[in-house]
Amino acid sequence: KQEVTQIPAALSVPEGENLVLNCSFTDSAIYNLQWFRQDPGKGLTSLLLIQSSQREQTSGRLNASLDKSSGRSTLYIAASQPGDSATYLCAVAASGGSYIPTFGRGTSLIVHP
Amino acid sequence: NAGVTQTPKFRILKIGQSMTLQCTQDMNHNYMYWYRQDPGMGLKLIYYSVGAGITDKGEVPNGYNVSRSTTEDFPLRLELAAPSQTSVYFCASSEPGQGGEKLFFGSGTQLSVL
Repeated sequence: KQEVTQIPAALSVPEGENLVLNCSFTDSAIYNLQWFRQDPGKGLTSLLLIQSSQREQTSGRLNASLDKSSGRSTLYIAASQPGDSATYLCAVAASGGSYIPTFGRGTSLIVHP
Repeated sequence: NAGVTQTPKFRILKIGQSMTLQCTQDMNHNYMYWYRQDPGMGLKLIYYSVGAGITDKGEVPNGYNVSRSTTEDFPLRLELAAPSQTSVYFCASSEPGQGGEKLFFGSGTQLSVL
């Protein structure tokens, strides 16, 4: 059974800092890995998706990396802003036909001015 | 393009009542999922479907039922609601193929069982 762990559980930083959020998974046989953002009381918005054959993806100030051999992904946020405050979740989709995404518990981020 | 639509957005049930959470998608996705999210606990899979007429249990299926008569719709049925089913419910869909297909979510249903 795939287990997904996100560290840290919560993070509070001043505006402008560069951040690293971590996601680890136990089964390296993955289809893809996706990072989501969730604002309080809202649904999940996809930020970045990394296919199993890829090492990283970038979108604006966000960069996500994937190391299947070590079972890790990192989400790098450059020059953080108060608008980045949200919960960030990673989801690992299984290979082998089911493609079922397993989620971590998320990292709650607060960026203060 | 509506994507994944869930109704209702909020609902309060009394213990023992039943209800159906509706989910529909207009992207012709074969794979659909129901998750529940409890505070600080991430998302747990309730049921999923890989196509019309095919459903299977996820991690926490007890107290729920699903059906998939069409590609577009994947309703979740709660029978004999219990306080433990108080949660936020999310429906999602995708169409796996080459590895780059994203998972799309509805906006969620907040359910309270009192």
